[in-house]
Amino acid sequence: DAGVIQSPRHEVTEMGQEVTLRCKPISGHNSLFWYRQTMMRGLELLIYFNNNVPIDDSGMPEDRFSAKMPNASFSTLKIQPSEPRDSAVYFCASSRGKVGSYEQYFGPGTRLTVT
Amino acid sequence: GNSVTQMEGPVTLSEEAFLTINCTYTATGYPSLFWYVQYPGEGLQLLLKATKADDKGSNKGFEATYRKETTSFHLEKGSVQVSDSAVYFCALSDGRSSASKIIFGSGTRLSIRP
Repeated sequence: DAGVIQSPRHEVTEMGQEVTLRCKPISGHNSLFWYRQTMMRGLELLIYFNNNVPIDDSGMPEDRFSAKMPNASFSTLKIQPSEPRDSAVYFCASSRGKVGSYEQYFGPGTRLTVT
Repeated sequence: GNSVTQMEGPVTLSEEAFLTINCTYTATGYPSLFWYVQYPGEGLQLLLKATKADDKGSNKGFEATYRKETTSFHLEKGSVQVSDSAVYFCALSDGRSSASKIIFGSGTRLSIRP
C-alpha cells in the first residue's frame, strides 16, 4: 500500500502568493482530513470530507483558506493570499470511515514557509 | 463535547526505564481510543487502539487498556529505548457515523537518554 501521498514536501513562498497543497488518500478510504501543526497551537483539524463532501470546515482559519475534493483520490488545500503566520506543517490523513475502523493514516506532511 | 486530556511533557527518562503517559477522556457513549506516535520530521502513525471497554491495545512493547470506569487509556512500556523518543498523542473517535473524526490530545514529548 502506497500510503497517503502529499506534495510538495516543502514549499517556500513569499507573502501574498497563492499556495496549493495536494493530497492523494489511500485507495478505498472514504474520509479525508486536513490538519495544521505548529509549535504554538499544536495539531489543528482544518476540514474533513466524507465521500468527497465537506462535512466540517469550522477549523479553517479564515476565507483565505479553501479545500476541495473533486474525486475520491485527490484533494487540495489552497491558501490565497498567503501570510507569514500560515507557516506550519500541513498534514493530510485518510480513513476507511467504517464502524470499528476509524483510525486515520497520515501523510508525511508539507512544510510551508511564508516569508 | 468530546475531549482528551493527556499529561504535559516533556518527559525525560533513562534507557530501560518504565514509561507511563496518562490519558483521560470525556465522551458520550462508547468511543474508540487510540495512541499515535510522531517521530521527528514525520507524520503521525497509529501505535495502538482499543474499541471497547477492557480491551488492551498493544504494539512494539507499548500497551494501553480501555478503562471505562476511570475514563482512562494510559500508555505504558516496561523498558524504553532511545528510539522511542517521539511525541505521543492520545485520541478518541466517537464512531457514531461513517463521517466520524478523531479528537486528539495535545501530545506528550518523550525523550530517552542513553
